[in-house]
Amino acid sequence: QQPVQSPQAVILREGEDAVINCSSSKALYSVHWYRQKHGEAPVFLMILLKGGEQKGHDKISASFNEKKQQSSLYLTASQLSYSGTYFCGTTPVGGSSASKIIFGSGTRLSIRP
Amino acid sequence: DSGVTQTPKHLITATGQRVTLRCSPRSGDLSVYWYQQSLDQGLQFLIQYYNGEERAKGNILERFSAQQFPDLHSELNLSSLELGDSALYFCASSNPTSGRRVGTDTQYFGPGTRLTVL
Repeated sequence: QQPVQSPQAVILREGEDAVINCSSSKALYSVHWYRQKHGEAPVFLMILLKGGEQKGHDKISASFNEKKQQSSLYLTASQLSYSGTYFCGTTPVGGSSASKIIFGSGTRLSIRP
Repeated sequence: DSGVTQTPKHLITATGQRVTLRCSPRSGDLSVYWYQQSLDQGLQFLIQYYNGEERAKGNILERFSAQQFPDLHSELNLSSLELGDSALYFCASSNPTSGRRVGTDTQYFGPGTRLTVL
């Protein structure tokens, strides 16, 4: 089942912060975050594994709450280069579907100068 | 540049035809994934191969098939094409980390093949 991302779209001014959420109805083994700019391929940001991780690099970080089956992506002091569509992808715990990654419908982030 | 190459970049064909999309993974990557991205469906996982063997299947139609060759490149075959098959087709590769479940590694996406069915 497809994870639900919120918000669907957000517009920020440069320097503002954003939070993108990803929720699943199934127990999750991993959550993947990707950014895709228009007309380009998705680019990997980070993977969080079961165990309640928090990761980050530069001003982009993410948390994974396995009990709530949700992950959040945090973008702080946003830059123009952060614009794009952010996708979360999830893999469920156990079963034959262990390797299948299911992507959310995406969150479109627009940064204005 | 992710190191994953896909050919062709663009493909225009007619309904009922058959096409083959090609993907070369990053050097050393054993896993190849195929995805379809259309405007109304988002990013859909199709199929995954690991070292020549099919590992996982997603929402891949029976008209579609794929394989991974001994040199690890992969081909996605689409037959009896319909208008609704028009989409961006991405391949991604990964090198599973020892002890990690396949599918939970960083996937590096190729630039995609844009298929237009007229």
